[in-house]
Amino acid sequence: GAGVSQSPSNKVTEKGKDVELRCDPISGHTALYWYRQSLGQGLEFLIYFQGNSAPDKSGLPSDRFSAERTGGSVSTLTIQRTQQEDSAVYLCASSYPAAANTGELFFGEGSRLTVL
Amino acid sequence: AQSVAQPEDQVNVAEGNPLTVKCTYSVSGNPYLFWYVQYPNRGLQFLLKYITGDNLVKGSYGFEAEFNKSQTSFHLKKPSALVSDSALYFCAVRALNSGNTPLVFGKGTRLSVIA
Repeated sequence: GAGVSQSPSNKVTEKGKDVELRCDPISGHTALYWYRQSLGQGLEFLIYFQGNSAPDKSGLPSDRFSAERTGGSVSTLTIQRTQQEDSAVYLCASSYPAAANTGELFFGEGSRLTVL
Repeated sequence: AQSVAQPEDQVNVAEGNPLTVKCTYSVSGNPYLFWYVQYPNRGLQFLLKYITGDNLVKGSYGFEAEFNKSQTSFHLKKPSALVSDSALYFCAVRALNSGNTPLVFGKGTRLSVIA
């Protein structure tokens, strides 16, 4: 079966440009998460969608970052006016609507963003 | 607030020897604990999780982890390391009854198994 799909796998952009990163979760997964992985920084939570509830945006590092999830499925992470410190691997994950929050996250292979 | 500490950035072990990757956590109440592995240029893959019950959890590829509540630890172990186990390992925690909230991850430990 299909896993979590992310595109593009690699993106090189110039400072100041906007970028969009896409995530297609596993069918039937109601929860979707974006994380950022920077060298030596581990995984940093960015934003979380659960069903039709308002997203948890508490991890977004600045107002240049935003995300949406259309129709409860595909999500797009948008970074406006990119800066060099935005260079990282952006990972998307989804999970089942597991009872008692026991479910693990299923990750895509990530989108590597390089800002020149 | 929840947090995870992986005190070692790098662990080196000879092939065939036992390996341990350390993890301690901080959470209000009871934890749900997870280990993930990341191979080069890949996403994270789930290895195992502790939810409740037996403190020794067995997972994929011969890995196991032991939940120790008094020490707030969840160390990953394997009796005999393989070169193919070389990868980046992440420990993660979620608080009990917090819904499908995001996992909080440690900074990762790079395991290098030398032939």
